[in-house]
Amino acid sequence: EVQLVESGGDLVQPGRSLRLSCTVSGLNFGDNAMSWVRQAPGKGLEWVGFIRSRSYGGTVEYAASVKDRFTISRDDSKNIVYLQMNSLKSEDTAVYYCTRRDANNYDRFDYWGQGTLVTVSS
Amino acid sequence: DIQMTQSPSSLSASVGDRVTITCRASQDITTYLNWYHQKPGKAPKLLIYGTSSLQTGVPSRFSGSGSGTHFTLTISSLQPEDFAIYYCLQSYSIPITFGQGTRLDIK
Repeated sequence: EVQLVESGGDLVQPGRSLRLSCTVSGLNFGDNAMSWVRQAPGKGLEWVGFIRSRSYGGTVEYAASVKDRFTISRDDSKNIVYLQMNSLKSEDTAVYYCTRRDANNYDRFDYWGQGTLVTVSS
Repeated sequence: DIQMTQSPSSLSASVGDRVTITCRASQDITTYLNWYHQKPGKAPKLLIYGTSSLQTGVPSRFSGSGSGTHFTLTISSLQPEDFAIYYCLQSYSIPITFGQGTRLDIK
């Protein structure tokens, strides 16, 4: 069974940093691209970014709203993908979901974690 | 950026009804269109990928069609568990973008 478990969500002040983790089991993590999607309270879904697998260079792509503030990385030895969030703003308040990006099937996001809540407030 | 526009924004229907939700892309995305639904407090669930391919485990009452800029999701006979918010997503180009969502409520 494939499982994605996010952790690290918290209440944080504006301007501070936070790192989220997503631990993956049940699939060959190193062969997969991983993505982050967020959802502000009562709002729709917003793609944050993704990281390609090592075989595709491990390169990353970001939404404009988080570029230069957020960094996605991965540790293939631990099956974990990270989202480092710096210079947090109130508008970053959201549930953050980790997803698998299936590059072999229309880049679908087929597996999702349960989400972790980040609240940015003073 | 490719903008995804869903219609309607909300919809009321009854169990057993046939329902169609439309998603329009601001430019050609070939068939890189996926559909999700989301229930309160839960993660989104993939229903359809590549415009018309049914995700494993998803009931056959769900179907998708379209290409280019115009796509539809059809539920042939609504069941109680189908009342949720539906989102389309284009995975053709970066940035990946979602539609704004369609809320499907019980009439």
